[in-house]
Amino acid sequence: QKEVEQNSGPLSVPEGAIASLNCTYSDRVSQSFFWYRQYSGKSPELIMSIYSNGDKEDGRFTAQLNKASQYVSLLIRDSQPSDSATYLCAVKVGNQFYFGKGTSLTVFP
Amino acid sequence: GAGVSQSPSNKVTEKGKDVELRCDPISGHTALYWYRQSLGQGLEFLIYFQGNSAPDKSGLPSDRFSAERTGGSVSTLTIQRTQQEDSAVYLCASSAQRDTASDFGAGTRLSVL
Repeated sequence: QKEVEQNSGPLSVPEGAIASLNCTYSDRVSQSFFWYRQYSGKSPELIMSIYSNGDKEDGRFTAQLNKASQYVSLLIRDSQPSDSATYLCAVKVGNQFYFGKGTSLTVFP
Repeated sequence: GAGVSQSPSNKVTEKGKDVELRCDPISGHTALYWYRQSLGQGLEFLIYFQGNSAPDKSGLPSDRFSAERTGGSVSTLTIQRTQQEDSAVYLCASSAQRDTASDFGAGTRLSVL
């Protein structure tokens, strides 16, 4: 059974702060990792992908991967109210995706 | 280019009726996935198609659910004898290559009265 675990939150941070979202996974052969953002009533949209250990930065977003610890995280710098959404962690094994249940983030002004 | 297209966007049906939901993936994407998402819940995997291989049906909740993918492109998810607990948003996603992410359609919101 492949599992992807996320803190359900809700996570609440003030505008301008760093939001930290965490995800752990059970399958050691996982090679591809993704973060999706889902606004209420909308479908998930990809915001970050990461394949190698270490950090990957894209604008205000940084994904961090540690395969030894089976841990992937997403940092959002200078959080904005528009970042308020549910963030889904996904792990790909072969061609199959395994999603966490998501972490709800609220950024308050 | 065009994204994943799903139709209808909304479907209201009566308990016991059959419904068909359609997904048109991104051209060239060989993998196609169906998920279900109930209000405030995570994504529930239903079925996965990869090229011409036999689909992975391990997530289908009952034998009332079935799906086809014709010509390696368009997919139809059929729910027979719908029940109120089938009410959810049905999301389709497609993916190009082994390590790439999936792109989601806008979903079909199904309401069973």
